[in-house]
Amino acid sequence: DGGITQSPKYLFRKEGQNVTLSCEQNLNHDAMYWYRQDPGQGLRLIYYSQIVNDFQKGDIAEGYSVSREKKESFPLTVTSAQKNPTAFYLCASRAGTYNYNEQFFGPGTRLTVL
Amino acid sequence: DQQVKQNSPSLSVQEGRISILNCDYTNSMFDYFLWYKKYPAEGPTFLISISSIKDKNEDGRFTVFLNKSAKHLSLHIVPSQPGDSAVYFCAASWFGNEKLTFGTGTRLTIIP
Repeated sequence: DGGITQSPKYLFRKEGQNVTLSCEQNLNHDAMYWYRQDPGQGLRLIYYSQIVNDFQKGDIAEGYSVSREKKESFPLTVTSAQKNPTAFYLCASRAGTYNYNEQFFGPGTRLTVL
Repeated sequence: DQQVKQNSPSLSVQEGRISILNCDYTNSMFDYFLWYKKYPAEGPTFLISISSIKDKNEDGRFTVFLNKSAKHLSLHIVPSQPGDSAVYFCAASWFGNEKLTFGTGTRLTIIP
């Protein structure tokens, strides 16, 4: 079954700790994305990557970091510099880059910082 | 600057009737539009899309209409079913653009 997996589903961390969210896809998609969803604010882009070993900041990258060492994997680290990290985090992927942008999403990770 | 707007945060519709969800955009470069459906604590799922060369696209109970002059699109669901209760996001892009721009979503509730 091809798809996008995110783990864990729920994550609790203490304030001041860094935490890494996993995103893996077996769709052979080139591009991968991280979004954050807050109530009433839709989906906001954190980072995206169109090819391995390359990534770009989205609209709200401050306090986050990513890596893209493998095509299938795009982990997101929420650092202690992120002022309001509690949110629902969504990973997405897209087949190509020279086409219309249809993204497919994983199931999400809810991060709660205590 | 909200380039894609969904001005109705919520909508309630009787089961069996038509649901109409609206979306407005401001960026004239957008030429491709998508609707996603999202249940709580799940990722959005792709529903239907339309490119600017068309003014209508149908897929079963779902139809999207595009009015380019008004920079407006709408999603029609006929007939509405209880399983349609979800948050619907409108998104926009253009050919070759690496990003999607999302609206803030409309929560649709289907009343049995």
